[in-house]
Amino acid sequence: GDSVTQMEGPVTLSEEAFLTINCTYTATGYPSLFWYVQYPGEGLQLLLKATKADDKGSNKGFEATYRKETTSFHLEKGSVQVSDSAVYFCALSGGGSYIPTFGRGTSLIVHP
Amino acid sequence: GAVVSQHPSRVICKSGTSVKIECRSLDFQATTMFWYRQFPKQSLMLMATSNEGSKATYEQGVEKDKFLINHASLTLSTLTVTSAHPEDSSFYICSGRPGQTPYEQYFGPGTRLTVT
Repeated sequence: GDSVTQMEGPVTLSEEAFLTINCTYTATGYPSLFWYVQYPGEGLQLLLKATKADDKGSNKGFEATYRKETTSFHLEKGSVQVSDSAVYFCALSGGGSYIPTFGRGTSLIVHP
Repeated sequence: GAVVSQHPSRVICKSGTSVKIECRSLDFQATTMFWYRQFPKQSLMLMATSNEGSKATYEQGVEKDKFLINHASLTLSTLTVTSAHPEDSSFYICSGRPGQTPYEQYFGPGTRLTVT
């Protein structure tokens, strides 16, 4: 079945550092890929998405590119802020199943 | 973006009682709704998928008689935890999927259930 693998956290960075959170997937067909963010005590918010190979999703300074050849969708941000501290989930949908598949989440902690 | 509300945001109940959690899509019609349970250390567990007017499809290991899901309309789904026990204490999150964008889903803010 479909699966998503994210790097283990927590990821701890200083403010203004460069962020990469790795995400790889396995799926049949041509899934859509997503990054969701969860702030403490809240539900998940859609951060960005990409629906086909080579698409780049971007939002709030975050970017991720759908790489079919490496089955990856890594999340990047050039300069993180303390307010970016949250849990980030990589997900796919529309591969082998319409049921969405989530990674285990990566906690990001940004220090001033 | 599309908005999903959940009510209540927090609930404390005694062991053996039942608790109902409501999930509403406020500005779109959710042809499909999902219920998740989130454990410590972040991981999300899909409990069930429901389509409006149909019986919910439960994931393996989820007791359908304990976690009753009703998707009565295109904007409302409810999860009832029956005969709650302390081990049911958790963070429950719903999400709705609009029919027009088959692969996107929008999440509610979650409900923290504590069973004493």
